[in-house]
Formats: sequence, structure tokens, C-alpha cells
Amino acid sequence: AQSVTQLGSHVSVSEGALVLLRCNYSSSVPPYLFWYVQYPNQGLQLLLKYTSAATLVKGINGFEAEFKKSETSFHLTKPSAHMSDAAEYFCAVGGANSKLTFGKGITLSVRP
Amino acid sequence: DTGVSQDPRHKITKRGQNVTFRCDPISEHNRLYWYRQTLGQGPEFLTYFQNEAQLEKSRLLSDRFSAERPKGSFSTLEIQRTEQGDSAMYLCASSFTGGSSYEQYFGPGTRLTVT
Repeated sequence: AQSVTQLGSHVSVSEGALVLLRCNYSSSVPPYLFWYVQYPNQGLQLLLKYTSAATLVKGINGFEAEFKKSETSFHLTKPSAHMSDAAEYFCAVGGANSKLTFGKGITLSVRP
Repeated sequence: DTGVSQDPRHKITKRGQNVTFRCDPISEHNRLYWYRQTLGQGPEFLTYFQNEAQLEKSRLLSDRFSAERPKGSFSTLEIQRTEQGDSAMYLCASSFTGGSSYEQYFGPGTRLTVT
């Protein structure tokens, strides 16, 4: 069984500030981890993924995440927030070529 | 690569009616997934196909739900005798198992409102 915990439902940061969105997972098999972003009334777009290679993963739009097995975490960061980063962010866990289990999501607001 | 498409984008129906949604995956993708997303929640897995074979169904998928992928290309998801609790965004995703990316590409979703 797999599960994802995303603590907090809403994060607000100032433009230019650090973005940190937390994700903890549980998996009985070696996990594959993903961060997706969803804009209003749209589908999900992949930001980045961990598939058992490098533990520090770089994605699109300046986002990165670090896989920490000992902490069962895969937190998403971005050094400097932009107004266009305002969206909902989902962490997901899966196996190789299998269904994804998503967290509840975190809404990111960016203040000017 | 034209992406995953879904039709319709929005559907309003009355309780008790049947509805059918279509998903067209990326052409070379052999896996197709259906997820459901309710307000304020992450997507939840419903079912998936490898080519035309339906390999797994979630317990969320009641007997009123049926999905097909007859020729291993597009897929349909039908809900019979809709209930208000079926109101949600239905997301389709596809992937290719021949590589090592393991990425699922999502469509824009079909938003269902049951009145």
C-alpha cells in the first residue's frame, strides 16, 4: 500500500521568497515520486519526478525536490517565487508503470 | 505529440441519467488511466488499461461505472444512473511502458455536475 501526506492545505509566500512544499510518503515497495501542478480548470502537469536515480531532482520552472529515504520525504522547493507559480501542487507516489496515489494537494499563493 | 484529450470538457446531467466520457491518449502510449478528483482533494485512481485489457479497478469503481478501451486506443468511461456524489472532475492519463520515464500525461479532464 502507498500513501502521501501533504501537510497544510495552503501556503502563502511573497514574490521572490523561498517556496517549500512538504511531502511525506509511505510505500511498501521502492517508490517513484512525482510532483504535479494544476492550474484552475486544467489537468495536471508534471513538474519533476524521482525514479531511483539522483536523489536531487530538478524540474521545470526552477523547481527542485530532494528524495530522502530516511525521512520518507520528497519536499518541493523553489528559491524565488513568481506570481505565475500560484497554483495547486500535488505530490504522488507510485511504482514503475503503475497507478499513482496522490496527496490532497497544497494551494500556493504568491503575494506581490 | 498532441497530448491527451478528453471530451466533453463539461457535462451537466440530472440525477439518474447515464453519461459517457471519452479519452484519447497520446498515440504511442499503451497504458491509459482514469482518475476522479473531487473538490479540494487529489486525484483518486479508478482504473487502468494496458492496450485493450483492463488490468485493475479500484473499489471506488462501483457497478454503475464501466470503462472500455476496445481497440487499445481511445477509452470511454460510462456512469449509469448518476448520483449527486458522482459530481467530480474525471481525469484521464496515458503513459508508455517501453521506456524508463514512468511519467503519466494527463488530459484536461471532464467536469461532471449532477443536479
